[in-house]
Parts: sequence; structure tokens; C-alpha cells
Amino acid sequence: DTGVSQDPRHKITKRGQNVTFRCDPISEHNRLYWYRQTLGQGPEFLTYFQNEAQLEKSRLLSDRFSAERPKGSFSTLEIQRTEQGDSAMYLCASSSPSGHSYEQYFGPGTRLTVT
Amino acid sequence: SQQGEEDPQALSIQEGENATMNCSYKTSINNLQWYRQNSGRGLVHLILIRSNEREKHSGRLRVTLDTSKKSSSLLITASRAADTASYFCATSQGAQKLVFGQGTRLTINP
Repeated sequence: DTGVSQDPRHKITKRGQNVTFRCDPISEHNRLYWYRQTLGQGPEFLTYFQNEAQLEKSRLLSDRFSAERPKGSFSTLEIQRTEQGDSAMYLCASSSPSGHSYEQYFGPGTRLTVT
Repeated sequence: SQQGEEDPQALSIQEGENATMNCSYKTSINNLQWYRQNSGRGLVHLILIRSNEREKHSGRLRVTLDTSKKSSSLLITASRAADTASYFCATSQGAQKLVFGQGTRLTINP
């Protein structure tokens, strides 16, 4: 069990550019979640996959945001035409389908700075 | 939007003292979880309490849940410098999304 990994850990981009983040969940976990966290706040839910199906999307996920999990393993989160308000920590988490296990295991996050 | 609020927003105590953090939430829940986050890092799961449970222990952690008041508390006993972190409560209605509070920043002074 190597834990949830995210890449890159830090991204600095200019306003208007597109960025893509990757998340590799714990291998046997079939649920994958994306959250966004701004300074001094708790994480806010963005979207959730069960296997390759995207089951829920937050209203925070504007049409500039898209997430995929094509083979039910890793996931990508793309932000198009970035804005300064997109600057935040983007957190990925995964959880196991076994029994009634609801704990989510978080990756280290990708910190995005839009200049 | 955040589910609820944590109280206090910041807490500073001496090493060895106990730390208590409170969390309130708004809607019905299936379970409530507490997470720890060290500065600039990901979240670490601490403990989960189900809606039909009232109290749960794990090592130096004690969590209580009062569903009638929609509130929970996290007690850390015999605090250590390594406990310095932000603590978040999070609620869920099953295996779906977690809804987090704004967190309590805990500082343990040596």
C-alpha cells in the first residue's frame, strides 16, 4: 500500500493557461474524490468517481473544470483558462468498497498558484 | 459551502494538557469523521463515529457524538508537540462526499 499520490505537488501558471493534475489512488480502492481547499478553510467537494463513472459533481465545478477516470484507476482534473480564483490546494482521496468502510485516504495535494 | 462550524477556530495549550475541539453540523448524517492536517499537507484520517454511536476511543483520542444537538467533540489527552496541526470534522451520508467544517488550528507549546 503506497498511499494516494498526486502529481505535480506544486504548479504555478499564468492566468488563462490550462493545467492538468493527476491522482493515483490506493490500488484496490474503487472510489475516488477530488476536493479543493483554500487557505484557512476546510476542503470542499468537487467530484466523485466510482470506478470510471463520475457519480456526482459540485456546483463549484464550473464548465472550465473537467475530471476523468478513464480506466477506473488514476484520475485527472483539468482546469481550462485558469483564473486567479482557482489558486488553491487540490486534494484527491480514495476509499475502499469493502464492507461499510467510509474512511477516505488523502493524497498530499497539488498546490496551484495562478499569477 | 461548509457543513458546519468548528469551535474554537484556534486553540493554544501547553504540552501535556488536554485539548477539546467541538464541531456542529446542519443535516442528518450517516457518520462523522475527524481528520488532521499538518501545515501544507494532505489530511490524515483519525477516527470515525457512526450516527448510532455516542462515544468512541482510539489511543489518546476520544470522540463524542450528539445527534440530537447535531454536534461532536474531539478530545486529545496528554497533548504532545507533534499534535500541532489543524483538525477538521467531516460528515457524510454514506460512501459519498465528505462535507468538512472550517477546522480548528491547534498549537501545542513545549
